[in-house]
Amino acid sequence: QVQLQQSGAELAKPGSSVKISCKASGYTFTAYDISWITQTTGQGLDYIGYINTGSGGTYYNEKFKGKATLTVDKSSSTAFMQLSSLTPEDTAVYYCARRVNGGDYWGQGVMVTVSS
Amino acid sequence: DVQMTQSPSLLSASVGDRVTINCKASQNINKYLNWCQQKLGEAPKLLIYNTNNLQTGIPSRFCGSGSGTDFTLTISSLQPEDFGTYFCFQHNSWPLTFGSGTKLEIK
Repeated sequence: QVQLQQSGAELAKPGSSVKISCKASGYTFTAYDISWITQTTGQGLDYIGYINTGSGGTYYNEKFKGKATLTVDKSSSTAFMQLSSLTPEDTAVYYCARRVNGGDYWGQGVMVTVSS
Repeated sequence: DVQMTQSPSLLSASVGDRVTINCKASQNINKYLNWCQQKLGEAPKLLIYNTNNLQTGIPSRFCGSGSGTDFTLTISSLQPEDFGTYFCFQHNSWPLTFGSGTKLEIK
């Protein structure tokens, strides 16, 4: 069955970076794009962008350009998102989702907390 | 960006009830409206895609309808496992945008 397994919670200092992962299984990884979505209590859900897992091409929501960098490792069927120059406002849960019909399978989410 | 207005934000219902949740888009999104269920600590689960298509494995008590800007999710007979948060999202226009969520609680 299709699964997207995300890495564990992160605690980061302001100004630092974190890299979270999303390991896919149960299907051909390079057949479908992977989207990334953020969820905060105050702002709700927001779309970060997606990566073409075959070509590595990336497409970012303007809001997240310069904040998020999407990459893939085809050999391990894993997508990554690096978040840079973290501020407390980046504290959120980050989800990956397979980009079929908008988003058919989602990961369980990674809580990223930014605090000094 | 397309704004998605979801209502109600909170819904209290009993097992066996019929419930409806609504999403309104700020512009025409054709049929590209999805519904997901989210439970605490779990991956969001796609229920309905493209307005009225039931995702594989989702019970038939879930039904989606609508077109253009107005969409509805109906649960025909609420079951105990249906309680949680529901959100809509559109994938007609870039970037994808989401409703604010409906928390469905046991009455």
